Amino acid sequence: DQQVKQNSPSLSVQEGRISILNCDYTNSMFDYFLWYKKYPAEGPTFLISISSIKDKNEDGRFTVFLNKSAKHLSLHIVPSQPGDSAVYFCAAPRGGGNQFYFGTGTSLTVIP
Amino acid sequence: KAGVTQTPRYLIKTRGQQVTLSCSPISGHRSVSWYQQTPGQGLQFLFEYFSETQRNKGNFPGRFSGRQFSNSRSEMNVSTLELGDSALYLCASSLGTSGAYNEQFFGPGTRLTVL
Repeated sequence: DQQVKQNSPSLSVQEGRISILNCDYTNSMFDYFLWYKKYPAEGPTFLISISSIKDKNEDGRFTVFLNKSAKHLSLHIVPSQPGDSAVYFCAAPRGGGNQFYFGTGTSLTVIP
Repeated sequence: KAGVTQTPRYLIKTRGQQVTLSCSPISGHRSVSWYQQTPGQGLQFLFEYFSETQRNKGNFPGRFSGRQFSNSRSEMNVSTLELGDSALYLCASSLGTSGAYNEQFFGPGTRLTVL
């Protein structure tokens, strides 16, 4: 079963505009969420995380928002740059600290 | 610091064969996790090894197995390959500290094609 869902397989955005990637989850017990970015022929790399005690975490151009009542999180990239073109995965821990549920990914294309 | 390495990068096998994939974690990392990535399914957790012991296991059949050596290098094996096993297999290493969410560092993956 897919406990972490990304319903948009792809997203295209103009350079300089905001990119918003969405993620929904089913388990209200999840207390930590991560976003990973993946370029072709490379493994995913950690981007940003958020604890459930917060509703927002910011790191430079990347901000993650968490809405616990809606079981929804989103990643905002402002301003978007062509180098941001990649597949983005959201993830939540499954039990132990070293195993995660991942979403199916959203492929972001930033158009110059 | 060298990253996570996976060998081979590409493999082509036929149904019924078996395959072994290798992962060398970042130096000092004791946890290695394996994931299967297929289109439409995202990354599916296979198993995690820590200090040569399988610590966690996902929902995959027994045809999927793994092991970890004393130097933390890990191998995963898939026996009796099926067409549906075609996927990108990713390994991730981390410090493996219990009680904490450890950042996962992923290798580039092994692309397995089963014909």
